[in-house]
Amino acid sequence: SQELEQSPQSLIVQEGKNLTINCTSSKTLYGLYWYKQKYGEGLIFLMMLQKGGEEKSHEKITAKLDEKKQQSSLHITASQPSHAGIYLCGAAGRYNAGNMLTFGGGTRLMVKP
Amino acid sequence: DGGITQSPKYLFRKEGQNVTLSCEQNLNHDAMYWYRQDPGQGLRLIYYSQIVNDFQKGDIAEGYSVSREKKESFPLTVTSAQKNPTAFYLCASSIAVAGAAGELFFGEGSRLTVL
Repeated sequence: SQELEQSPQSLIVQEGKNLTINCTSSKTLYGLYWYKQKYGEGLIFLMMLQKGGEEKSHEKITAKLDEKKQQSSLHITASQPSHAGIYLCGAAGRYNAGNMLTFGGGTRLMVKP
Repeated sequence: DGGITQSPKYLFRKEGQNVTLSCEQNLNHDAMYWYRQDPGQGLRLIYYSQIVNDFQKGDIAEGYSVSREKKESFPLTVTSAQKNPTAFYLCASSIAVAGAAGELFFGEGSRLTVL
């Protein structure tokens, strides 16, 4: 089965600093999803990447997919306290039934004001 | 507004009791999923259903049961056979497209604590 490893597991940054979260897959990626979760709540969809080299941005968050490396990165520019939470990557395998996703262990982000 | 509703948000149960978590969606999605999240860990798939009256086991189905009698409903029963049921449970739904993947929409979660 596909496994996703996220790094770092936790991160504390000063407000205004940039940061990067990585997600590495044990198998070829056919779709990579980034979600954000506030503590004790559901997941909010951030963006989806499907093609190698694809890059998407939303506000101050940019995600890239390196298909050859089976890796995706999530970069936050000029972090704010509102960015705090748990970031999870989810991956779809080539023959996944329906839209079933496998998730990484999450990266816990704290932003110090 | 369309979305997924999970209830209850918090639930306490004694050992040996079965408990059912509700998940309802009005997004007209064919596929629904149940995930379990433990502290400091990612999500693990319990069961999923791609169509009414059909469901499949995920990675950690032991001690759980589901039903899919209606398109909009996918309740999860945590049975007394589940050895460590205390966890955060998340329900999700999506448009099911064979061989492709799309966005999962999540509910707000249900936190189950076994006393």
